[in-house]
Order: sequence, then structure tokens, then C-alpha cells
Amino acid sequence: AQTVTQSQPEMSVQEAETVTLSCTYDTSESDYYLFWYKQPPSRQMILVIRQEAYKQQNATENRFSVNFQKAAKSFSLKISDSQLGDAAMYFCAYRSTQGGSEKLVFGKGTKLTVNP
Amino acid sequence: EPEVTQTPSHQVTQMGQEVILRCVPISNHLYFYWYRQILGQKVEFLVSFYNNEISEKSEIFDDQFSVERPDGSNFTLKIRSTKLEDSAMYFCASKGPTRSTETQYFGPGTRLLVL
Repeated sequence: AQTVTQSQPEMSVQEAETVTLSCTYDTSESDYYLFWYKQPPSRQMILVIRQEAYKQQNATENRFSVNFQKAAKSFSLKISDSQLGDAAMYFCAYRSTQGGSEKLVFGKGTKLTVNP
Repeated sequence: EPEVTQTPSHQVTQMGQEVILRCVPISNHLYFYWYRQILGQKVEFLVSFYNNEISEKSEIFDDQFSVERPDGSNFTLKIRSTKLEDSAMYFCASKGPTRSTETQYFGPGTRLLVL
């Protein structure tokens, strides 16, 4: 079974600085999807960024980018020019492409605090 | 922008009672999911639903749980006889309209407390 590990329960960053959130996963599959979701306080989870495992190029969405290291099974999220609105729980998630499964497997999350 | 909505936001119930958690997925979505998160633990997959059938369920989703799409807009999760360990945040998600669309959109959750 696949597992996702986020080793940083909490992180903090100064406004306008850069922060990297770590995620590792365990799988025997070669094709899969990886996601970062953001959950602001009392709000729903929203997708931040998605990476297809077959793509070597790291995904980027504005100030958010990933460092996808397939061999190391690592999928870290970099937030550049951090803003107060980036404060949230960040969840890393894995989705298999095999057997028709669509379930997301989540890590425990990292709580990000942005200091003014 | 369309959003997934869930009601109620909070529910308190007595052990052994039935609860129904409601979700309104995004209108043109066809794939629906329930997840839960026990306090301090990971978000866990419960069930996926497509074309009025369960397409996948986890070990957690035992006979006490059921899902239904009673009309064209609602998607419900019923827990027949709640246990203390069912206390959790329950998230609904939807995806679609095609299978190739990868992003699941989540609702804000229902916090269930079983006493």
C-alpha cells in the first residue's frame, strides 16, 4: 500500500521569504499523480499544484513550485515570496493510476505560519 | 467559482444514533468521494461513487456506512449506528465531468462528534 509522509508538522516563514515543505512517499508503481492541497483555517482544501509522475519537468503555479525527485520518492513544495494568505495546513497526496483507483492517500499535513 | 458545499458544518450525536451527512457537489461533476480525518490523524479515503454505484471503498467503510445520491444534486453519507470512534471531520469531494479530469474538489467538511 502507498504511504505519504510529511515530516514537518509545523513550519514558519517570514513574509516575502521562501519556504519549502517536504513530502516523501512510498510506492512500487511507476505512474501516479502527486498533489499539494492547501487548507486555510475553517475552509475547504484547495488544490495548489499537481504533478504527473511520467513528466520529468517540475510543475509550477505562480509562486508555487515543486521539486519532484522520482527516484528518491520525494515531492517538496516551494512557496516563493510568501504572503500572509499562504498560512494554512498543507497536505501532500498521492493517487495511483492503476486498477481504476481514484482514492487520494494523504500525508498528515504541515501547518505553515507566515509571520509579518 | 463553483464550490462543493456540506451540511451541517457541525453535528453532535449520541452513540448508536443514525446520522446523515449531506454534500452538494459541483453541478457538472460525476465522480464523488467521502474522506474523513480523525483529530490529529491523516485524511483517510472512505468511498468513491460513480454512476449511482460505489466504485471503490476502504476497509473503514463497513456495513455501518452507506452512500446515496438521492437526487440530481445531493450526495449523502449515512452512518447507521454511530460509535465513539466515528468522531471525525468528514469531507466530501467531487471530480469530473470526465474520468481524465484529475483534480478532486473538496467541501469544507462536517465535524461529527459522537458522545
